[in-house]
Amino acid sequence: AQTVTQSQPEMSVQEAETVTLSCTYDTSENNYYLFWYKQPPSRQMILVIRQEAYKQQNATENRFSVNFQKAAKSFSLKISDSQLGDTAMYFCAFRGTGGATNKLIFGTGTLLAVQP
Amino acid sequence: DGGITQSPKYLFRKEGQNVTLSCEQNLNHDAMYWYRQDPGQGLRLIYYSQIVNDFQKGDIAEGYSVSREKKESFPLTVTSAQKNPTAFYLCASTQFGSQPQHFGDGTRLSIL
Repeated sequence: AQTVTQSQPEMSVQEAETVTLSCTYDTSENNYYLFWYKQPPSRQMILVIRQEAYKQQNATENRFSVNFQKAAKSFSLKISDSQLGDTAMYFCAFRGTGGATNKLIFGTGTLLAVQP
Repeated sequence: DGGITQSPKYLFRKEGQNVTLSCEQNLNHDAMYWYRQDPGQGLRLIYYSQIVNDFQKGDIAEGYSVSREKKESFPLTVTSAQKNPTAFYLCASTQFGSQPQHFGDGTRLSIL
């Protein structure tokens, strides 16, 4: 069974600095999708970035980028120029392609606090 | 704008009572999902449906039931058999392929 592990329950960063959130996963599939979702205090789940495993190039969305290491099964999120609005819970999620369910498997989350 | 609407935002359940959480989407997505969120445990899958009139149990289906009579609607019933229903419930939908799941704003369920 696939699993997703986020080993940092909480992190803190100063405004304008860079922070990296860690995520590792376990799967026997060769092709799959990885996602980072943000959940601010409003509890909305907002997609931050996604990566397709067959693409070697790391995904980037403005200040958000990932370091995808397929062999190591690692998928970290880097937030550059941190802003107060980045304060949220961040979830890493895995979706395989072997079945037909499109099920997402989530990590337990990392609570990020951006300090002024 | 297309999206997912969950209602109500807050819900209270009495002992022995069944309650139903609503989830409606106008994104024309085939697949819909229900997740439960507890502190420190991330999101766990309760039920999912890939097509009308069909649904499958997720990882924590006991004490819950669903129906999928229409493509746009996927209501979740929390039955009296669910002994610890207090949680935040999120509904999501997606099209197949590489598309991510879109989420509703959630329903917080508490016990009276």
